Amino acid sequence: GAVVSQHPSWVICKSGTSVKIECRSLDFQATTMFWYRQFPKQSLMLMATSNEGSKATYEQGVEKDKFLINHASLTLSTLTVTSAHPEDSSFYICSARDQGPETYEQYFGPGTRLTVT
Amino acid sequence: AQKVTQAQTEISVVEKEDVTLDCVYETRDTTYYLFWYKQPPSGELVFLIRRNSFDEQNEISGRYSWNFQKSTSSFNFTITASQVVDSAVYFCALSDLTQGGSEKLVFGKGTKLTVNP
Repeated sequence: GAVVSQHPSWVICKSGTSVKIECRSLDFQATTMFWYRQFPKQSLMLMATSNEGSKATYEQGVEKDKFLINHASLTLSTLTVTSAHPEDSSFYICSARDQGPETYEQYFGPGTRLTVT
Repeated sequence: AQKVTQAQTEISVVEKEDVTLDCVYETRDTTYYLFWYKQPPSGELVFLIRRNSFDEQNEISGRYSWNFQKSTSSFNFTITASQVVDSAVYFCALSDLTQGGSEKLVFGKGTKLTVNP
């Protein structure tokens, strides 16, 4: 089946620094990737939709200047948390949609756990 | 607005018991998809099923079965003869359109299932 990887799987950073998370589709091309955020014991909330070669579309309430998304190729999207603060500590999950006709076939990455101290 | 309700926050059963996880959804769309995902403690989402809104047939896959009833906007998930390895958080999700026109998933809050030996 289709595989999506994320790197790093976990990261600890100091308040005020920036962190970049990578999401890669390993065996398929993804025109669309999604970034979700999950706080402990809570559900997944969509942050933004990333389309290859164009600007990301952010959900209401998500700061686009704080969460920078780049989808430079059909297999890679990155999320950069800029000037991270402890409240940004969360589990970040990406998903990628295959270019095929199965429009709703999303494949999820294993997630990245971010801790900001 | 699209909404998914999983009323059961936590369920605890003893191994070999059957257990049903409830999912009720709200949507304005006539065509939509419903999903179930499993999230074990490792955090990675495991895809279980996708169901098209036009297909109301119940589905069985091994010990798993799903009951889709459009009349009550429900998509319930039953695990037969539960096992300890079934312990996880289970999410029900509904497809929706993002502000940019792409499809996204709206997740319920999840049901934490604990299967005790």
